[in-house]
Parts: sequence; C-alpha cells; structure tokens
Amino acid sequence: SQKIEQNSEALNIQEGKTATLTCNYTNYSPAYLQWYRQDPGRGPVFLLLIRENEKEKRKERLKVTFDTTLKQSLFHITASQPADSATYLCALGQFGGSTLGRLYFGRGTQLTVWP
Amino acid sequence: GAVVSQHPSRVICKSGTSVKIECRSLDFQATTMFWYRQFPKKSLMLMATSNEGSKATYEQGVEKDKFLINHASLTLSTLTVTSAHPEDSSFYICSARDSITGELFFGEGSRLTVL
Repeated sequence: SQKIEQNSEALNIQEGKTATLTCNYTNYSPAYLQWYRQDPGRGPVFLLLIRENEKEKRKERLKVTFDTTLKQSLFHITASQPADSATYLCALGQFGGSTLGRLYFGRGTQLTVWP
Repeated sequence: GAVVSQHPSRVICKSGTSVKIECRSLDFQATTMFWYRQFPKKSLMLMATSNEGSKATYEQGVEKDKFLINHASLTLSTLTVTSAHPEDSSFYICSARDSITGELFFGEGSRLTVL
C-alpha cells in the first residue's frame, strides 16, 4: 500500500527564517500533490497544488517543489511568522472521474515559529 | 468562498448508541463527498467516497456496516456511526468536490467521543 511520510513530526524555527517541510512517498504515482494547513480542532485548509509535470509552484511566501523521481515534495515558508504556526499536511491524489478529490494524507509536521 | 458545514461539531454519546454526522455544501453542489477520520497526531485516513444517488465506496479495512453513508442530495452526505464504541472516538472530517469546478473543500470536522 502507499506510504506517505513527513519526516519531521515537529519543526521549530525563529521568526523571519525559512521553514522547509518534507513529504516523501512510496508505492504510489500521484497525478498531483497538495499541501494543507490544519489548526488544532479544525479541518484542513488548502494551500497549494502541484501537478506531476510541474517542478515548482509559488504563492506569496509559499513555495512547493515536486520531484517525481525522488518521490518527494518540499514545502517552504519564507519570512516565517508566529501566525504560520500550525500543522502542515501533504496529500496525494489522482485526476479522473470519481478519483478526483480522493486524497491520501501524510501525518503532518507541526510547525512552531517563535518570535 | 465555498463553505462546507459539518454538524454536530462535537458529540458525546454512550457506548452502543448510533451517531449521525452531517456534511453540507452550502453554496455549491457536490456529487461526490469524502469522509475521513483522524486520530490525535495522526494523518487523515480516507474512509469512503460518498456518491450522490448511489452506494458509497469504502476504503479497504473500513466496515461499511459500521459506518453508514448516505448521500441523498447534491448538498448533503451523512455518516452514521452505528453501535458506537470508545474506539470509534475520533475526529471525523468530510470534504466536498464542487460538481462544476472540481474544487475540493473541507469541513471543520466533528469530534466524536464515545463513553
């Protein structure tokens, strides 16, 4: 079965630094990969989607890379702020018919940004 | 923006009772919705795909008689946890796929505690 690993359960960084989170997967060939933010007791909030034929995507202070050879995605938050503190989840999915939206999630990395 | 509402947000019940959780898309139609469960510090685990007007598709290892899913309209899917036991205590989250745009939106989750 597919396995999705986010290798840091927790990451603590100082405000202003760049946070880098990793997502590795095995036994799966996703058509796309998504990153979500989840706050305690809340549902996930969508951040970015990157397709298998894309190497990099950016949105404001966020950057995602996707290497299908390494089966890895990196998620960067530049100029991090305490408000960025949350759990970040990666999720893999396929396009096409009924499978669109069917996602497999990693465990998440809890990011803490301290002043 | 599009909103997915889950109700109730929290429920406490006695062992042996059945609990129904609703997932509504408030301003879009969703032919397909998805149900996940999440244990503390664990990933979201896909339980089933809910299809309007047809039977749900369950992931391997998920008991369909335990977790009844009904998707009777284009804006509502319900998950009923039958004869709940303490091990069913979890955070249940739904997502809904916009039938027109294909965008995916998550609900805020429902925390079930079985005593």
